[in-house]
Amino acid sequence: DAGVIQSPRHEVTEMGQEVTLRCKPISGHNSLFWYRQTMMRGLELLIYFNNNVPIDDSGMPEDRFSAKMPNASFSTLKIQPSEPRDSAVYFCASVASGGAWGTDTQYFGPGTRLTVL
Amino acid sequence: AQSVTQLDSQVPVFEEAPVELRCNYSSSVSVYLFWYVQYPNQGLQLLLKYLSGSTLVKGINGFEAEFNKSQTSFHLRKPSVHISDTAEYFCAVSAGGFKTIFGAGTRLFVKA
Repeated sequence: DAGVIQSPRHEVTEMGQEVTLRCKPISGHNSLFWYRQTMMRGLELLIYFNNNVPIDDSGMPEDRFSAKMPNASFSTLKIQPSEPRDSAVYFCASVASGGAWGTDTQYFGPGTRLTVL
Repeated sequence: AQSVTQLDSQVPVFEEAPVELRCNYSSSVSVYLFWYVQYPNQGLQLLLKYLSGSTLVKGINGFEAEFNKSQTSFHLRKPSVHISDTAEYFCAVSAGGFKTIFGAGTRLFVKA
């Protein structure tokens, strides 16, 4: 299995530009998470999907952030317009939620390092 | 609500020495506990998890952790570390919902 795939691995953009991060979860997994990791705030949950439906987006910092999951094998996180404070590593993680809630292992992708100048 | 505190931000240790990374949690309900490891420029991967049963949990790469309910702790240990164990380690807690709360991380630095 290829694991969770994220693209691009690195993104450098200028303030005000639109940024789209992509994620392909592990085949058969039905839950997907987007996280943001910074030195100051650690690992923050941005949004959670179950069976392609957004369940909780309370962690999305503001309206500039949006996420979609059009099918079970693809998700995007978009920032428009981007700002320097959005610079971080963005992780996607997927879970095969077959057991009791909260017991399953999260499988993380390698992350996208975003730099907004 | 749940919270996780990792008591040490950095732990330097010599190769082949034992190590303990400390984690305390707070919750008003029963929890599931996890340790994840993040190697440089990689995503997190599971080391071990406690769901129920034996309080001593063994994981990959020779790591183990002990769940102590009375002290609300889940410390991670390894009797002899290798250079390759240099990484950041995250303790995490789940109360059974979809949300997992991660600690701030402990950076383990193994010196030759």
